[in-house]
Amino acid sequence: TQLLEQSPQFLSIQEGENLTVYCNSSSVFSSLQWYRQEPGEGPVLLVTVVTGGEVKKLKRLTFQFGDARKDSSLHITAAQTGDTGLYLCAGGGNAGNMLTFGGGTRLMVKP
Amino acid sequence: GAGVSQSPSNKVTEKGKDVELRCDPISGHTALYWYRQRLGQGLEFLIYFQGNSAPDKSGLPSDRFSAERTGESVSTLTIQRTQQEDSAVYLCASSLATRQGLMNTEAFFGQGTRLTVV
Repeated sequence: TQLLEQSPQFLSIQEGENLTVYCNSSSVFSSLQWYRQEPGEGPVLLVTVVTGGEVKKLKRLTFQFGDARKDSSLHITAAQTGDTGLYLCAGGGNAGNMLTFGGGTRLMVKP
Repeated sequence: GAGVSQSPSNKVTEKGKDVELRCDPISGHTALYWYRQRLGQGLEFLIYFQGNSAPDKSGLPSDRFSAERTGESVSTLTIQRTQQEDSAVYLCASSLATRQGLMNTEAFFGQGTRLTVV
């Protein structure tokens, strides 16, 4: 059983649309990270959130950490084709200090 | 080196052969992870090394899989008697040491080794 569940698993939208990706767990994490992976590359860190209720913005991307530090969301405004990729959340401070990754959300933004 | 380096970048092997994949982490990073990623899928955890602690091998799918790491340096992932279902990209990541209660630092990934078993 995965500690972190991401939804949806796949998402295909048109350029300009908004979307939200969710990362949920029954466990508490001391930190939550979001990564993006493009084809042929390894995942790259986008953001780290550490405080319950924290909101961070990165251009058109808004990340939120749940008050109880068990869940997180990523909202993309006015998606662009360059946003296409696999989005992964990763929880830290649990499971022996190991980073635990969710299963990922594969996003396709069509022109 | 500047980043996590994995070799080879591509490996094609015949079913039943053994393969060895190599990961050079970023210097000073005590934590090292191996993941498997099948085509179009997310990351599947394989094994985690943290300094001199016993590795977390809970993700290894069978006894054909093993990994070693000497100190805080290079790690090798070995797959014995490869099967077609082993075909995937194998990703390695490293990060700075973490302690209980502290925020985990960023994981830096290599570009992976694409393994094809024919």
